Amino acid sequence: GEDVEQSLFLSVREGDSSVINCTYTDSSSTYLYWYKQEPGAGLQLLTYIFSNMDMKQDQRLTVLLNKKDKHLSLRIADTQTGDSAIYFCAESSHLPTGRRALTFGSGTRLQVQP
Amino acid sequence: NAGVTQTPKFQVLKTGQSMTLQCAQDMNHNSMYWYRQDPGMGLRLIYYSASEGTTDKGEVPNGYNVSRLNKREFSLRLESAAPSQTSVYFCASSSGTGGEQYFGPGTRLTVT
Repeated sequence: GEDVEQSLFLSVREGDSSVINCTYTDSSSTYLYWYKQEPGAGLQLLTYIFSNMDMKQDQRLTVLLNKKDKHLSLRIADTQTGDSAIYFCAESSHLPTGRRALTFGSGTRLQVQP
Repeated sequence: NAGVTQTPKFQVLKTGQSMTLQCAQDMNHNSMYWYRQDPGMGLRLIYYSASEGTTDKGEVPNGYNVSRLNKREFSLRLESAAPSQTSVYFCASSSGTGGEQYFGPGTRLTVT
C-alpha cells in the first residue's frame, strides 16, 4: 500500500529555521499537504503544493517538492515557540475502491527551545 | 461558520458497551471521513463517505460501523467496545475525495 514517512522529532532554537522532511510513494499524487496539530486539538491545514510545482512560499513557510525522489519538505523560517506542534505530511493516494483519500505520515514533533 | 464539529469531546466506556460518535460539517462538503489517531501511528482511515448515500471501508474498519445520515452528518458507531479501540477519533470533510480535508477537534475515547 501507499506509505508516507517522516522523522519523529525535531528540536530547534527560537529564531532558527526548521526543516521537516517527508517521503511518499504514490507518484500519481496530484496534491501534497502539510498539517499542524497543536496539543489536544485537531489537524489544521497549513499549506499544500500541486505536484507540478517545485516550490511554494507562504509567508514564513516554504514547501519544496522533489517529485523524482518523492521527497517533500516544509521549511519554517524564524521559528517561534508557538510553532511547537506535530506536523503531518499527507499525500492523495488511491484506495482499493479506486477513490482517492489522504494518507498521512506518523507526524514530526517540533520542539522550539526559547 | 463552525466548520467540522464532533460530539462528545471525551468518553469512557466499559468493554462491551456501545456508543455513537457524531460529526457534522457546515461547509457543504460532499466527502466525510473518520480517522483514529494512536501514538506514533499517525492517522488511520476507518471509514469514509465519498458522497451522500455512499460509505466505504478504509484501512481499519473492523469493529466499527458508519452512517451518512445526510450531507452534513456522518456518525461512527462502536457496537461492542474493546480496549484496543481506545484512541482519539477525528472526523474530517472535503469537497471531493483526495482533496484538502478539514478536521474536527476530536473525541478522546477510553475503553476499560
